[in-house]
Formats: sequence, C-alpha cells, structure tokens
Amino acid sequence: NAGVTQTPKFQVLKTGQSMTLQCAQDMNHNSMYWYRQDPGMGLRLIYYSASEGTTDKGEVPNGYNVSRLNKREFSLRLESAAPSQTSVYFCASSESGGKTEAFFGQGTRLTVV
Amino acid sequence: ILNVEQSPQSLHVQEGDSTNFTCSFPSSNFYALHWYRWETAKSPEALFVMTLNGDEKKKGRISATLNTKEGYSYLYIKGSQPEDSATYLCAPNNFGNEKLTFGTGTRLTIIP
Repeated sequence: NAGVTQTPKFQVLKTGQSMTLQCAQDMNHNSMYWYRQDPGMGLRLIYYSASEGTTDKGEVPNGYNVSRLNKREFSLRLESAAPSQTSVYFCASSESGGKTEAFFGQGTRLTVV
Repeated sequence: ILNVEQSPQSLHVQEGDSTNFTCSFPSSNFYALHWYRWETAKSPEALFVMTLNGDEKKKGRISATLNTKEGYSYLYIKGSQPEDSATYLCAPNNFGNEKLTFGTGTRLTIIP
C-alpha cells in the first residue's frame, strides 16, 4: 500500500519557469491538501480539496493553482516560479476533512534560483 | 482560518524526564483537534484525533487531553526518550471548515 505519493522528490527551477507537482493517493480518500514548509512557520496550507472537482484556498494560495481531476490525484502548479516559492511541499489526504487523520507524502524539495 | 497557538515554541528535556505542551484554539463551533508528530527530514504522522470535551487518548508514553469549552489541549510525554525528539503540531477544526491548518508547533529536543 503506497499511501500518498508525490513526484518529483527534488526540483530546481529558474525564476519564471513553470512546473506541476503531482500527488496521488491510493486510500480512496475524499480530502486532499497541499502544504508548504517554511522555517519558523511550520506547515502552511496552500490549497484544499474536499472532493473530486472541488478546491478551496488555504492560508497562502497566491502564485499557485491546483487541479483535482479525479479522486486519486491532486496537482499543484506554479505558473511563474519565484525565489519566495523555494520550500518543501507536502501533499496529504484524509478520508474526510476534520475528524479523520491525514496521511502525508514524502515531500518535494523545490528550489527556485 | 483558525487562530492556533502552541506553546512553548521549543523545549529541551533531559532523557527520562516527563514533559507537556499546549495547543490553544477558539472554542466556538469546535469539531475536532488533531495532533501530529514531525521528525526532521520526514513527513508528519498523526498521533491523535480528538473530538469530545474531556477526551483523553494514549499511545504508548504519549497522551493527550482535550478541553473544548476553554479551547485547549495538552500533549504529555512520559519518560522522554531520544526518539521523541521532533516537532509536535496541532490542528483544530470547527464546523463548516474542514481545512486542516496547523499551529507553528513545539520543537522538542531530548538531551541524552
């Protein structure tokens, strides 16, 4: 059972480049999340999806777009990467938001130069 | 987005000692409170999801209590071990908002 799988694990981008971070879960979970980890600020929620086809902004959505095309997959897109987006990104899923525990992917370390 | 406060921000504890830390959150429309453990260079892992006022949960040497009326939860670690070194995160939910937003965490370091 793979759980939550993120790709890629590492990425270096130049300022202005675009890329998509992929996330897939095999636990039939309804809710999926994207977070970024920043020193001293813990985990900050970028976007949230309660179910297939629905998405909602989190604490720090600017500069990002998301897509939840099916129940398994939730992708995060950076249209024009900026150095401020250098971070470790985590995807997570839960059976339903709120009362059920979330399971996290292994993280994607992104550096924007 | 809920206002979550965790204290202290960091903590150094001697191996074998017990310790505890706090998560404070708005008490109105409470739905659930999550605790996660996050080791360096790894992914966060769930410890507890608590929903009832007065709830107490335990996993090995780690336990948590919940007071939804006053809006706080305590996490206790008994007989700290080096492997307990991690950042402990809490995330409250309220009705109508299922987003999981975290406090900044308590960073625990166990001194051998």
